[in-house]
Formats: sequence, C-alpha cells, structure tokens
Amino acid sequence: GENVEQHPSTLSVQEGDSAVIKCTYSDSASNYFPWYKQELGKRPQLIIDIRSNVGEKKDQRIAVTLNKTAKHFSLHITETQPEDSAVYFCAASISNTGKLIFGQGTTLQVKP
Amino acid sequence: DTGVSQDPRHKITKRGQNVTFRCDPISEHNRLYWYRQTLGQGPEFLTYFQNEAQLEKSRLLSDRFSAERPKGSFSTLEIQRTEQGDSAMYLCASSMNQGVKGFFGQGTRLTVV
Repeated sequence: GENVEQHPSTLSVQEGDSAVIKCTYSDSASNYFPWYKQELGKRPQLIIDIRSNVGEKKDQRIAVTLNKTAKHFSLHITETQPEDSAVYFCAASISNTGKLIFGQGTTLQVKP
Repeated sequence: DTGVSQDPRHKITKRGQNVTFRCDPISEHNRLYWYRQTLGQGPEFLTYFQNEAQLEKSRLLSDRFSAERPKGSFSTLEIQRTEQGDSAMYLCASSMNQGVKGFFGQGTRLTVV
C-alpha cells in the first residue's frame, strides 16, 4: 500500500548548522511532495513543496530535492535558527485525489 | 489564518458518548479532507470529499465514524460510541479541484475519558 518513511526521527543541531531530513515513498504514481512544520499544539503549516517534474526547489534557507528514480525526497535547512525547532513532516500525494500520505515526523532541535 | 475553520477546538467526552465535529473549508475550495493525528505521529488520512461526494474512505474509518458534506460546503465528522483509542487531534484540510496544496484547520482535539 501507500507508505512514506521518514528519517531521522530526531535531529539535534547547533544554531547555524544545516539540517537534512530524508523521506522515501512507495507509490510510483505520487507526483506531489509537500513538507509541513508543526509546532506543539498547532496545525501543520506548509513550508515548501515540490512536484514530480522538478528535481529541486529552494525558498530562502529551505530547499527540497526529489529523486523520482529512487523515490527519495529530502528537506534541507541551512543556517538553522532556534525558531526552526519543531516537528517536520514529509508527505506524498497523487494529484487526482490530493490525499496526503505523511511520514512519521522528525523532531528538530536547534541549540542556541 | 489559512481560512479553514474547525469547531470545537477541544472536546472532552466520556467513553460511549457520540461526538460531532465541524469543518468549514476555504470558501472556493471544492475538496475537503479529514485526517487524524495521534501524539508523536504524522496525520493519517481518514476520508475526503469533492463537493458533496465522499470519494474515498480509509480503512481507519470504522463503522463508528461517519462524515458528511451535505451541500458541498462545510463537513461534519461524527464518532459514535467513542472509545479511548479515539483520543486524537482531528484535522480538516481543503484544496481546489486537482490542486493538492492543502491548507489545514487548527484541528479538534478529542479526549475520551
């Protein structure tokens, strides 16, 4: 069935360092890959997304890469700041349904 | 604010009681999704509507769960005979047509005691 695996489950970095979170999806029909940031007790917030016809997308300190052949996609955060500390979720979707299959989440801690 | 509104924000109920949650999507969005999120886990898909039609239901949605979107606008999710395992955050999201850029509501946190 549809599945998204996310690693690592926890990640601790020093302020200013980079953070990388990786996901693997199972359904080759998936063509949309969003990343969400969720702070404690709040809703998931979309931070960046990528479609299957694009290999990389960047928005300021955040970038996402996609390897369709390997069914891998990754989130890269550069120059991390304490306010980046949160739980990050990757997801995969097939555009004709819009249904999102989420990874298990990565708790990112940025130490000042 | 993303515009997706959920009510109530919190609900505490006794085991065995029925509960109903409401979701108001962004007004021009014709797709509406329900997800459930338990502590420490990612959201899990429950069901979705395109306009008033319920197009897919997850196997997570037991027969105690029912969702409706009678006029293609707001949606309700009802849980009958609640169990402690139903305690979770219930999230609603909406999007346009074939678009998948989902915007989540703030969720309803259900606690079954």
